[in-house]
Amino acid sequence: KAGVTQTPRYLIKTRGQQVTLSCSPISGHRSVSWYQQTPGQGLQFLFEYFSETQRNKGNFPGRFSGRQFSNSRSEMNVSTLELGDSALYLCASGRESYGYTFGSGTRLTVV
Amino acid sequence: DQQVKQNSPSLSVQEGRISILNCDYTNSMFDYFLWYKKYPAEGPTFLISISSIKDKNEDGRFTVFLNKSAKHLSLHIVPSQPGDSAVYFCAATGSNSGYALNFGKGTSLLVTP
Repeated sequence: KAGVTQTPRYLIKTRGQQVTLSCSPISGHRSVSWYQQTPGQGLQFLFEYFSETQRNKGNFPGRFSGRQFSNSRSEMNVSTLELGDSALYLCASGRESYGYTFGSGTRLTVV
Repeated sequence: DQQVKQNSPSLSVQEGRISILNCDYTNSMFDYFLWYKKYPAEGPTFLISISSIKDKNEDGRFTVFLNKSAKHLSLHIVPSQPGDSAVYFCAATGSNSGYALNFGKGTSLLVTP
């Protein structure tokens, strides 16, 4: 079966711009979570959506937002990009809780 | 604050020997623990998990041990193979954290022939 698909794989943006990342979960999975991986902070939880509702949110500024569509696909948006937002952004999908499968991630570079 | 800690950034083991990766956590409300393996530029791949009602779970060459009183878990890989070389992340979660995965910073395992 198809895994979690994240697009694009690589992205370069300029400070102050905004960016939208996309995630298509495994068919049948209703939970989609987003994580940020940086060398200094490791993997940090951004937010989780379940059936189009944000169910949980990590400790990130309001510039980071997301949404989930009725087909469970999710998008994550970062506005007013800062250099420190450069990271690997990972999406994970699951049926309920606990069992998450990760995508390959989107590598965002802010210059 | 880091609720899940992997105190060894790296580990080197000879092929065929046992690899033991350790993880400590501080939040006693965590009730489910997972290990992920990660290669550069790829997402983490789920390896094995354990519920807090158990103290051991095996899957082939991989065994996870949980010591709730010490808030400690470990991943044993026996026998280690060169293909096991990767970064291993420990994660913990529970209903009180909204099922978000709290990750350690990872241990880089190198298995040498």
